[in-house]
Amino acid sequence: QKEVEQDPGPLSVPEGAIVSLNCTYSNSAFQYFMWYRQYSRKGPELLMYTYSSGNKEDGRFTAQVDKSSKYISLFIRDSQPSDSATYLCAMSSVASGTYKYIFGTGTRLKVLA
Amino acid sequence: EAQVTQNPRYLITVTGKKLTVTCSQNMNHEYMSWYRQDPGLGLRQIYYSMNVEVTDKGDVPEGYKVSRKEKRNFPLILESPSPNQTSLYFCASRGQGYNEQFFGPGTRLTVL
Repeated sequence: QKEVEQDPGPLSVPEGAIVSLNCTYSNSAFQYFMWYRQYSRKGPELLMYTYSSGNKEDGRFTAQVDKSSKYISLFIRDSQPSDSATYLCAMSSVASGTYKYIFGTGTRLKVLA
Repeated sequence: EAQVTQNPRYLITVTGKKLTVTCSQNMNHEYMSWYRQDPGLGLRQIYYSMNVEVTDKGDVPEGYKVSRKEKRNFPLILESPSPNQTSLYFCASRGQGYNEQFFGPGTRLTVL
């Protein structure tokens, strides 16, 4: 079993839709949770960062962490064609000194105009 | 402009021919890391460095070497490349105490 599982998609939605992206994980030591966005032929860029459980909102993006279920989510409201990209979840733990990162395989999202 | 640069961006080589992929950052970051990205497997960490002369293995270090003699540079060395090292490689850096990793543009390596 992989430490982090992420549905690869692809996920196609119409412009303006609410998008939900999810990851599950097995290592209860993870405390730092991140979402990266990767456009085609580019390196990943950090979208959202959350420590431990709870929600975090930044504009159209909301990140949720449920440590009891070992489940994290990224919601995108009013999705735009410019949101079309691959979204990667990533996690790390205090035990690793936050130096080691485990990434999900990524979900490809396409927002149709 | 704050950035992470990698060279070369594209490389086709043959089995066994030693190669080095360079990575440089201009943000004075202590932490640097190398990843490989493969379809269906995602990003996997190869090696990381917490500071000059301090490195450690990630999840997939076999077949790779790194060195950190200067803060800004973190080269990835493949001493005897094999076809299973064909991949897209990313270098990243992060400031101490910060959570955001800045990624380079990637190096697409093909080993024949």
